[in-house]
Amino acid sequence: AQSVTQPDIHITVSEGASLELRCNYSYGATPYLFWYVQSPGQGLQLLLKYFSGDTLVQGIKGFEAEFKRSQSSFNLRKPSVHWSDAAEYFCAGGRNNNDMRFGAGTRLTVKP
Amino acid sequence: DTEVTQTPKHLVMGMTNKKSLKCEQHMGHRAMYWYKQKAKKPPELMFVYSYEKLSINESVPSRFSPECPNSSLLNLHLHALQPEDSALYLCASSQVRGVSTDTQYFGPGTRLTVL
Repeated sequence: AQSVTQPDIHITVSEGASLELRCNYSYGATPYLFWYVQSPGQGLQLLLKYFSGDTLVQGIKGFEAEFKRSQSSFNLRKPSVHWSDAAEYFCAGGRNNNDMRFGAGTRLTVKP
Repeated sequence: DTEVTQTPKHLVMGMTNKKSLKCEQHMGHRAMYWYKQKAKKPPELMFVYSYEKLSINESVPSRFSPECPNSSLLNLHLHALQPEDSALYLCASSQVRGVSTDTQYFGPGTRLTVL
């Protein structure tokens, strides 16, 4: 079945430390992949997306993600986390507008 | 401008009430979506409209009735809801590029509480 998996439910990092959030996908062909961020009670904000081409994708707020076909992964990274990055992060994937699949989400806590 | 607006921001209703949620976008997108999100869960797709026509209904109960009166507006009419329908309702929109996925832009959501 087509799916997107986020193995980590909750991650805590110290402010200024690096961050990597994991995302794995299971599709017959490479899906289009997205990372969204959601602050409590808010909508989803797009951080970045991968459709094709360069496997290292730059996004907003200093985030980047790397598509690795061999590992079926699309992990999100940030070199130095800020307290304002604390939020819920969702990886999503799909092949068409009607089959967007969201991962379960990873909650990021940032320690002072 | 990548803004999707939703009104109201919060809604409290009784199980016998009729209410509507509204979503609007002016990005020229021809696909619009309703999602339901329970606490600490990912969004779940409810409906998809493409060119103002309903293309997907993910087995949503009939007490939820979507409407797309024009290419910029999407409504969700609510009637006889149950307390378990309390959730954050998110609207999104995207371009339509054949059958390919395009980026969905989300609104801030309507927090619905059913008493």
